[in-house]
Amino acid sequence: EADIYQTPRYLVIGTGKKITLECSQTMGHDKMYWYQQDPGMELHLIHYSYGVNSTEKGDLSSESTVSRIRTEHFPLTLESARPSHTSQYLCASSEFEGSRGGPTYTFGSGTRLTVV
Amino acid sequence: AQTVTQSQPEMSVQEAETVTLSCTYDTSENNYYLFWYKQPPSRQMILVIRQEAYKQQNATENRFSVNFQKAAKSFSLKISDSQLGDTAMYFCAYLPGSGYALNFGKGTSLLVTP
Repeated sequence: EADIYQTPRYLVIGTGKKITLECSQTMGHDKMYWYQQDPGMELHLIHYSYGVNSTEKGDLSSESTVSRIRTEHFPLTLESARPSHTSQYLCASSEFEGSRGGPTYTFGSGTRLTVV
Repeated sequence: AQTVTQSQPEMSVQEAETVTLSCTYDTSENNYYLFWYKQPPSRQMILVIRQEAYKQQNATENRFSVNFQKAAKSFSLKISDSQLGDTAMYFCAYLPGSGYALNFGKGTSLLVTP
């Protein structure tokens, strides 16, 4: 089944640790995104990718980094986690369907990160 | 930058009743897309309805419909015959026609009560 997968769902980690949040999609979408969402707040774009070897920073400044070596995989890395990084991180991918109805976005279930 | 405003942080509706969630947006573009997404607690965000700005007809998906007022830059969501499973956060989102990433509002938390 075509979908987008994020692991882990929940992560509690100590300050200073390096972490990688995984995101994979099976739909072959070129465009992928990482959003940060604090509880009860809107989603803020922190990274996006147009395709393999293409990554850009989003509207919200983030200390995280991303890579896009394969179309289906878009991991996010924090080199040294801090309590201010505590948040939910949502991965998404998109395609433009053209005459069939316009752009379609698919979201993962998110990773809820707590840095203690 | 485009902004999306949802002025109702929380709403409550009784089962089988109708509720309308408000959304306004700011843009100078003529071609764009608007979306309503539903995010149930601890679950995946899913698309409720999508509207293309150049289409004057309001989009409808079963019990969900929108009132798209382009001149007023308003895009409200009406949920008819509310069901308990409609309880969720609802996000309004904007995508410019030439854009790539969605711009989201702060969301409205909807509670459907028995």
